[in-house]
Amino acid sequence: DVKVTQSSRYLVKRTGEKVFLECVQDMDHENMFWYRQDPGLGLRLIYFSYDVKMKEKGDIPEGYSVSREKKERFSLILESASTNQTSMYLCASSFGSGPRRGYTFGSGTRLTVV
Amino acid sequence: GDSVTQMEGPVTLSEEAFLTINCTYTATGYPSLFWYVQYPGEGLQLLLKATKADDKGSNKGFEATYRKETTSFHLEKGSVQVSDSAVYFCALMDSSYKLIFGSGTRLLVRP
Repeated sequence: DVKVTQSSRYLVKRTGEKVFLECVQDMDHENMFWYRQDPGLGLRLIYFSYDVKMKEKGDIPEGYSVSREKKERFSLILESASTNQTSMYLCASSFGSGPRRGYTFGSGTRLTVV
Repeated sequence: GDSVTQMEGPVTLSEEAFLTINCTYTATGYPSLFWYVQYPGEGLQLLLKATKADDKGSNKGFEATYRKETTSFHLEKGSVQVSDSAVYFCALMDSSYKLIFGSGTRLLVRP
């Protein structure tokens, strides 16, 4: 069964910590995405990547960075965690071109920054 | 820029009631349209999609028709079940393969 796997379901971190959220997909997808989900705000795009070592800013990149050293792995980095980054983080992947089949999502990581 | 607007929730229905969740979009060109569902504690799952005008997407008893003239993609189901309780997201895919989501509509189905 093809899937997108996020390494942690729940994380609790302290303010100021450097936080890594990992995402791995086994579908050979070119595109990968990081969203955060907050009540009443829906899903907001943080960063995305169309290929290895490529990254593009989404709508809310401030306070985040990403790394994509291998095609299957896309990491989200919180350089210095703050309480306003407490949220559900969702990773997704998709094919690069051709029919627009939508995304496959991971199960999400609920991050709490204290 | 492109955007999606969907009705606010929560929508509360009794089992076997008819469901409609409204979704309208603003976009240049003719984007592909999607409905995703999120069950409690889980990520999003693709429910159905439509890639061109007048297409009807369907899955698990849910349907939505791509209406170009009204820029809409309303989700419908004839008879909801308790197990349909979830958050439903309407989305469009823009020309650079990014999904743009609505804010989500929570559905609560009572026995």
